[in-house]
Amino acid sequence: DAGVTQSPTHLIKTRGQHVTLRCSPISGHKSVSWYQQVLGQGPQFIFQYYEKEERGRGNFPDRFSARQFPNYSSELNVNALLLGDSALYLCASSHGNYQETQYFGPGTRLLVL
Amino acid sequence: EDQVTQSPEALRLQEGESSSLNCSYTVSGLRGLFWYRQDPGKGPEFLFTLYSAGEEKEKERLKATLTKKESFLHITAPKPEDSATYLCAVHLTGGGNKLTFGTGTQLKVEL
Repeated sequence: DAGVTQSPTHLIKTRGQHVTLRCSPISGHKSVSWYQQVLGQGPQFIFQYYEKEERGRGNFPDRFSARQFPNYSSELNVNALLLGDSALYLCASSHGNYQETQYFGPGTRLLVL
Repeated sequence: EDQVTQSPEALRLQEGESSSLNCSYTVSGLRGLFWYRQDPGKGPEFLFTLYSAGEEKEKERLKATLTKKESFLHITAPKPEDSATYLCAVHLTGGGNKLTFGTGTQLKVEL
C-alpha cells in the first residue's frame, strides 16, 4: 500500500515569494496534518484538516494557510517567504479526526534564499 | 506549559551495547504517547503508541514503556542500522490530532 506522498521533494525560493506544497494521504485516511521541522528540532504543528474543514491550528502567522480537497489531499501555502521559513515540511495522515496514530510522508525540503 | 523533554540529546553505542532513551513530559492531560524513528532528511517513521501507565510495547530490538511522568525506549543489542533520531510525541486532552514533539535523541551505533 502506498504511504503518504508529498511533492515536491525539494524547493528553492527567494524571500518574498510564495510556495505551495502538496500532500496525498494514505488511502482511506481522512485527516491530514502539516508540521514544520527546523534542523535539530522536533516537528512543530501547523494545521490539521479533517473532512475538508480546519480542525486545528498551531502558532504560525497568517502567511501560512492550507486546504483539503474532496479526495482528502491537501495543500499548504506560504506567502511572503522569510529566511526563517527554511525547513522540512511534513505531512501526516490519520484515519479519523481525534488523537489517532499519524503516519508521516517523506517531507518537502524548502530553502529560502 | 505543556512540555516534552528527551534525553540524552545524543547517544553513541557500540554494537550490542544495550541502553535506554528517556522522554519525560509535564502535560495537563496525556491522551497518548508516540515514538517515531527519523532518518536524516526523511519523514518520521511510526514505532509505538502507549496510552496508560504500565503499558509496554515491543518490536524487534525496541521496547517502549510508559509511567505517569515519562516513557523509556529500550534498545537491546543494537545494530548499526538502528542509528537514527528517535522522537517522542504526545497527544493532549483537547488537543485534537495535534502532536507535541520533543527535540529527539540522536543515536549512533558503531561496529
